[in-house]
Amino acid sequence: QKEVEQNSGPLSVPEGAIASLNCTYSDRGSQSFFWYRQYSGKSPELIMFIYSNGDKEDGRFTAQLNKASQYVSLLIRDSQPSDSATYLCAVKNGTSYGKLTFGQGTILTVHP
Amino acid sequence: DVKVTQSSRYLVKRTGEKVFLECVQDMDHENMFWYRQDPGLGLRLIYFSYDVKMKEKGDIPEGYSVSREKKERFSLILESASTNQTSMYLCASTPSANQPQHFGDGTRLSIL
Repeated sequence: QKEVEQNSGPLSVPEGAIASLNCTYSDRGSQSFFWYRQYSGKSPELIMFIYSNGDKEDGRFTAQLNKASQYVSLLIRDSQPSDSATYLCAVKNGTSYGKLTFGQGTILTVHP
Repeated sequence: DVKVTQSSRYLVKRTGEKVFLECVQDMDHENMFWYRQDPGLGLRLIYFSYDVKMKEKGDIPEGYSVSREKKERFSLILESASTNQTSMYLCASTPSANQPQHFGDGTRLSIL
């Protein structure tokens, strides 16, 4: 069983719609959750992080965490073609030093 | 602003060569990481370091070693390069265990 799972997609949404990206994790001791965006040929770029159950909003992005269900999601409102990228979910478990486990990523395409 | 610098964007080496990949961060971060990223396999942790001269194996350390003689610099060494080490190599750093990792631009390494 993969430790962090994402639907690889591609997820295709029209411009202006809400894109919903999902991630599940297996380690109940996981403490911190991160979403990265990666454009083709580029390195991952941090979008958001969340530590507590509930929602966290930053501009057009909302991260949602449900530890009981071991589920974290990223919502992108008013999607733009420039949001087209691979979105990586990363989870930090109970070990120290900030080691992360990454999902394989979801490819998002926003079409005009 | 966070700055993680990798010495080369593209590198071509020959089988059997000893290869050095350098990573420097200017934020006084404690923890540094080396990943490789391959299509279909996602980001995989090779080694990480939580202090000067301290290192821990990640998920795929075979064929690699690391060096951290100064806090700001973390080097990845391919002892005897092989074609299966052709990949995108990403360095990241974080100030503490629960803070996000910040990535360098990556080095695309080809072993011929």
